[in-house]
Amino acid sequence: GENVEQHPSTLSVQEGDSAVIKCTYSDSASNYFPWYKQELGKRPQLIIDIRSNVGEKKDQRIAVTLNKTAKHFSLHITETQPEDSAVYFCAASGGSNYKLTFGKGTLLTVNP
Amino acid sequence: GAVVSQHPSWVICKSGTSVKIECRSLDFQATTMFWYRQFPKQSLMLMATSNEGSKATYEQGVEKDKFLINHASLTLSTLTVTSAHPEDSSFYICSARRDSAAFFGQGTRLTVV
Repeated sequence: GENVEQHPSTLSVQEGDSAVIKCTYSDSASNYFPWYKQELGKRPQLIIDIRSNVGEKKDQRIAVTLNKTAKHFSLHITETQPEDSAVYFCAASGGSNYKLTFGKGTLLTVNP
Repeated sequence: GAVVSQHPSWVICKSGTSVKIECRSLDFQATTMFWYRQFPKQSLMLMATSNEGSKATYEQGVEKDKFLINHASLTLSTLTVTSAHPEDSSFYICSARRDSAAFFGQGTRLTVV
């Protein structure tokens, strides 16, 4: 089955700096890669996603890049703000079963 | 985004009792829903895939007789934790996919005492 590795597990940045979280996946058939933000005790919220026919996608301060050959994808947050502090999960899925396999998460702390 | 509603948001039960958790897709039909378990400071672990009108598909290591899943309609899936024990205490969360995107319910904090 699919295996998703996520790094780093914790990330601390100063407000205004950029944050980058990286994930690798194992199943070359995976074709959908979402990123979720989860605040303590709350549900994961989809913040951005990318499909395998696209190399990069951007939404305001958030961008995701995908390298299919290397089987890795990354989340980039620019001009970080304290409210960006949360746990971020990457995930991958493919095929017909729609199952999402999650990375272990990254605790992002943005210091004011 | 699509709306997925989960109920209850928290529940406390005694050991040996059963607890039912509901997951509803409010503004779309979901033939497939997913149930996850999340321990503190850990990732979401898929327990099972709930299929409307057919048996659920359980992940390896998940006891299907302990975690009963019913998906009787296109908008409702239920997870029943049977004969609950303290080690079943966790955050249970469901999701449903609309197009490719997955949307999550609010989650249920289960505490077994």
